[in-house]
Amino acid sequence: AQTVTQSQPEMSVQEAETVTLSCTYDTSENNYYLFWYKQPPSRQMILVIRQEAYKQQNATENRFSVNFQKAAKSFSLKISDSQLGDTAMYFCAFISPNTGNQFYFGTGTSLTVIP
Amino acid sequence: GAGVSQSPSNKVTEKGKDVELRCDPISGHTALYWYRQSLGQGLEFLIYFQGNSAPDKSGLPSDRFSAERTGGSVSTLTIQRTQQEDSAVYLCASSLLGVAHEKLFFGSGTQLSVL
Repeated sequence: AQTVTQSQPEMSVQEAETVTLSCTYDTSENNYYLFWYKQPPSRQMILVIRQEAYKQQNATENRFSVNFQKAAKSFSLKISDSQLGDTAMYFCAFISPNTGNQFYFGTGTSLTVIP
Repeated sequence: GAGVSQSPSNKVTEKGKDVELRCDPISGHTALYWYRQSLGQGLEFLIYFQGNSAPDKSGLPSDRFSAERTGGSVSTLTIQRTQQEDSAVYLCASSLLGVAHEKLFFGSGTQLSVL
């Protein structure tokens, strides 16, 4: 079975500072994809960034980047120059083409950006 | 529409009543997912539809839960004889092809409260 663990239920960061959200996962698969989704108070989740497991290079999207450590099964999200609009729940997710159609989500990290 | 639409946004019902939750995916998206988000927990997979294939119902928690997708578009999640533990946010998501690397487009969810 695939599991995704987010060990930080809540975090806060000062505006303009950098914060890192942790995510670990457990799988025996070698081919998979990892995602970070953001859920603002509107409840509508949006994709922040994704990583293919076969790519060693860490994905980046503007102020968002990941630290993907395949051997350690770790997939952390770094947010640079934090903005008030980054305040949201962040979910780490995993999917493998070999284990069915479902995405496996962590329990989320609630991030608050403090002005 | 431009995005995934869910209705109603909020639903309050009495224990034992039946409820229907609606999801209107992005036009042309062949894959549709239902997830349940309970307080303090991650997203729990319920069901997955892909084109004309038989749905993956492996996540439905009991036979009180059912879902259908008519004409490959709108989906309805039905919960019969609701229980208090059914209280949660029910999220719908769609993707173009339903392949693993695709991002999901989420609706804003239905907050279900069972009294």
